[in-house]
Amino acid sequence: DAGVTQSPTHLIKTRGQQVTLRCSPKSGHDTVSWYQQALGQGPQFIFQYYEEEERQRGNFPDRFSGHQFPNYSSELNVNALLLGDSALYLCASSLLQGARTNTGELFFGEGSRLTVL
Amino acid sequence: GNSVTQMEGPVTLSEEAFLTINCTYTATGYPSLFWYVQYPGEGLQLLLKATKADDKGSNKGFEATYRKETTSFHLEKGSVQVSDSAVYFCALRYGGATNKLIFGTGTLLAVQP
Repeated sequence: DAGVTQSPTHLIKTRGQQVTLRCSPKSGHDTVSWYQQALGQGPQFIFQYYEEEERQRGNFPDRFSGHQFPNYSSELNVNALLLGDSALYLCASSLLQGARTNTGELFFGEGSRLTVL
Repeated sequence: GNSVTQMEGPVTLSEEAFLTINCTYTATGYPSLFWYVQYPGEGLQLLLKATKADDKGSNKGFEATYRKETTSFHLEKGSVQVSDSAVYFCALRYGGATNKLIFGTGTLLAVQP
């Protein structure tokens, strides 16, 4: 049973460019969340997708957008990249909180490390 | 607002030493509390959790008790091993149908043989 998979694992962009990161959730999971982890910091919640809609959003600008597909996979898009966007981007999947079979555990991928020059 | 504060690292211990990593939180209502671990080169893994006051989460010899009176969820292990070397994150989740976790800054644990 594959866990959460993310691609690419590493990438380098320059300021002003756009980037798309991809995530496939763990089998059986329907909810995907994205987190940004700056070096030496804890992960910060960007947003959560369920049923192909953004359900909750953290304190991130509109440059950060996402999408969820019918197969539950997800993309994170960041436009007009800034140096400060350099970070490890983590995808986490689960069943929707409140679902009868939900144990409350988030499963994280290994992340996509973005460097903005 | 809601937040998590962890003791700063790195924490360096000898094998078989006792471990405590402090975690306190600020939250409205009754959040669920978690400890996640991040081994080198890997993603975050849930270590243990507690969903209500006085609950004790435990896993792999680690324990943490949800103390509402002191708003704390300290991580403890009686005898650490070299393989426990990792970054440990305390986190809380509040609200209903949400997977939003609020994380602390993480504590690096280095266990020496």
